[in-house]
Amino acid sequence: SAVISQKPSRDICQRGTSLTIQCQVDSQVTMMFWYRQQPGQSLTLIATANQGSEATYESGFVIDKFPISRPNLTFSTLTVSNMSPEDSSIYLCSVGTGGDHNEQFFGPGTRLTVL
Amino acid sequence: GQNIDQPTEMTATEGAIVQINCTYQTSGFNGLFWYQQHAGEAPTFLSYNVLDGLEEKGRFSSFLSRSKGYSYLLLKELQMKDSASYLCAVPDSNYQLIWGAGTKLIIKP
Repeated sequence: SAVISQKPSRDICQRGTSLTIQCQVDSQVTMMFWYRQQPGQSLTLIATANQGSEATYESGFVIDKFPISRPNLTFSTLTVSNMSPEDSSIYLCSVGTGGDHNEQFFGPGTRLTVL
Repeated sequence: GQNIDQPTEMTATEGAIVQINCTYQTSGFNGLFWYQQHAGEAPTFLSYNVLDGLEEKGRFSSFLSRSKGYSYLLLKELQMKDSASYLCAVPDSNYQLIWGAGTKLIIKP
């Protein structure tokens, strides 16, 4: 399985500011995903990070609010822009193995609190 | 549309057996995943079923019935460390995972 790291692990931010979360994988992967998980809730897919092209966003998520970069096959960033308290959540990066099972492995997550 | 249902919360006793059910409705079928998530941590992969029947992996087993759109995760010889949320997920036609809301399992001594 891939080893995935995220930075920062947690942050407390002021309303109206932006935060960029980094996801680093120890091997090249085809598929990288960004999820949000609000307290007590399940995972909600924000977007698929595509290498060399624009991310594919799920319904309810837009590029202006959550710009994503994927400059290569081992790294991606998610920016949470113009934050409000409703953006307080855990943000998780995951990678798809692309094998027969195509299971996803998750980074440790970034716990964001917006005041 | 696609839908996944699982109980919100279950309680079991240390040393006992518990079965966590998951029912799903999908267009097409590309397998079913179970993940474990401890509080404050990321989900970790437990099992994958694509064929009918029971897959055993140590204390954990996972069962699938494609005709019934049904799966369960069976945990034996429960330990306190098994207290966690258990998430059922199925891939959609683009192989992106559709997640259930998760079942919070509480283990009591």
